[in-house]
Amino acid sequence: AQSVTQPDIHITVSEGASLELRCNYSYGATPYLFWYVQSPGQGLQLLLKYFSGDTLVQGIKGFEAEFKRSQSSFNLRKPSVHWSDAAEYFCAVGAGGGSQGNLIFGKGTKLSVKP
Amino acid sequence: DAGVIQSPRHEVTEMGQEVTLRCKPISGHDYLFWYRQTMMRGLELLIYFNNNVPIDDSGMPEDRFSAKMPNASFSTLKIQPSEPRDSAVYFCASSLRGLSAVLHFGNGTRLTVT
Repeated sequence: AQSVTQPDIHITVSEGASLELRCNYSYGATPYLFWYVQSPGQGLQLLLKYFSGDTLVQGIKGFEAEFKRSQSSFNLRKPSVHWSDAAEYFCAVGAGGGSQGNLIFGKGTKLSVKP
Repeated sequence: DAGVIQSPRHEVTEMGQEVTLRCKPISGHDYLFWYRQTMMRGLELLIYFNNNVPIDDSGMPEDRFSAKMPNASFSTLKIQPSEPRDSAVYFCASSLRGLSAVLHFGNGTRLTVT
């Protein structure tokens, strides 16, 4: 069965520091992978996605993620964090093709940013 | 593009009452999803529709929950009777061409059942 693990529940970084949020997935075939961000009181917004091709994908707001099949990981990175990046981040995996039905989300990582 | 619109934003009701949550997807999107978010269980898919037809409702917790999509621009999620354990944030999302596309989420309805 598909699953997504985000091992860090809460991370605090200083503004300007680099950031890496971890995501591991379990899926038998090539996964469709996503990172979403949720600000308080808001819905989820897509940061980036990986379907195929280049394993390093760029997203909005200066985020990037790297798909590593050997490690079943899709970690999210940002070289310099801004205070406005404080939010909750969700990794998700989908079966793809539009017929499988279920997009599985991780439990999320809450990011706090120190001034 | 107005995005996915959900109403109400907040709903407080007493146990045993009927609750109806509403969603207007993005025009032209052919998939609609209902998710529930809680601290304990995270984001759970409840049900999704394709072209107004329910495709998978295996995530619906029990018979007290029902969802409809009478047309391409409107969906409802109903809980009857409501229970305190139904308290959560309920999100509606829509997409074009299902899982190979991006989910666009509404801002959610925060339901509190006392």
